[in-house]
Amino acid sequence: GAGVSQSPRYKVAKRGQDVALRCDPISGHVSLFWYQQALGQGPEFLTYFQNEAQLDKSGLPSDRFFAERPEGSVSTLKIQRTQQEDSAVYLCASSHSGRAQETQYFGPGTRLLVL
Amino acid sequence: QKEVEQDPGPLSVPEGAIVSLNCTYSNSAFQYFMWYRQYSRKGPELLMYTYSSGNKEDGRFTAQVDKSSKYISLFIRDSQPSDSATYLCAMALVSRDDKIIFGKGTRLHILP
Repeated sequence: GAGVSQSPRYKVAKRGQDVALRCDPISGHVSLFWYQQALGQGPEFLTYFQNEAQLDKSGLPSDRFFAERPEGSVSTLKIQRTQQEDSAVYLCASSHSGRAQETQYFGPGTRLLVL
Repeated sequence: QKEVEQDPGPLSVPEGAIVSLNCTYSNSAFQYFMWYRQYSRKGPELLMYTYSSGNKEDGRFTAQVDKSSKYISLFIRDSQPSDSATYLCAMALVSRDDKIIFGKGTRLHILP
């Protein structure tokens, strides 16, 4: 079956613009994670959903970042008033149940460049 | 000090050599230890997973965890050019917190 897909793959935004990044998890996966990966760094946790419930958003760097998963499948990460420091790859991952020992399957990421 | 430390490399070795990658960590509560491989412009994919201390082998790959030293390793035998990628160590707690903490990754180049 299909893996995790993300769109768009690349996004260039002017500073101050709002952006929306989409994640389609593997069908039937309960848990969905968003990570931010800066150049030359490992992924850093942003937020976690179990079905439609956002159980942890402790990694969101500011109130300009907002994520939702209204029907427990597709998720959107929105960044308002983008800043240059938001430039990074945004990775989405899904897992069957969300326990740490379960495999998280990653999408290819959305590469965001804020000018 | 970051919770997980990993030398970013790059590390270049000739084809066929044994590769040793490693990470250190500071939080003794970590129980799940993982290695992910990330090719350029792709998402990470899980290579190996170990619970607590010990060794785990899967084909050419061996993962080792030494909790007393807070040190984990990944060995790649008979390295191939297709092994060229960034290798990320990652770890997680035994708790309801499902966050995975990643190292910054080591870039590996296998020279044909």
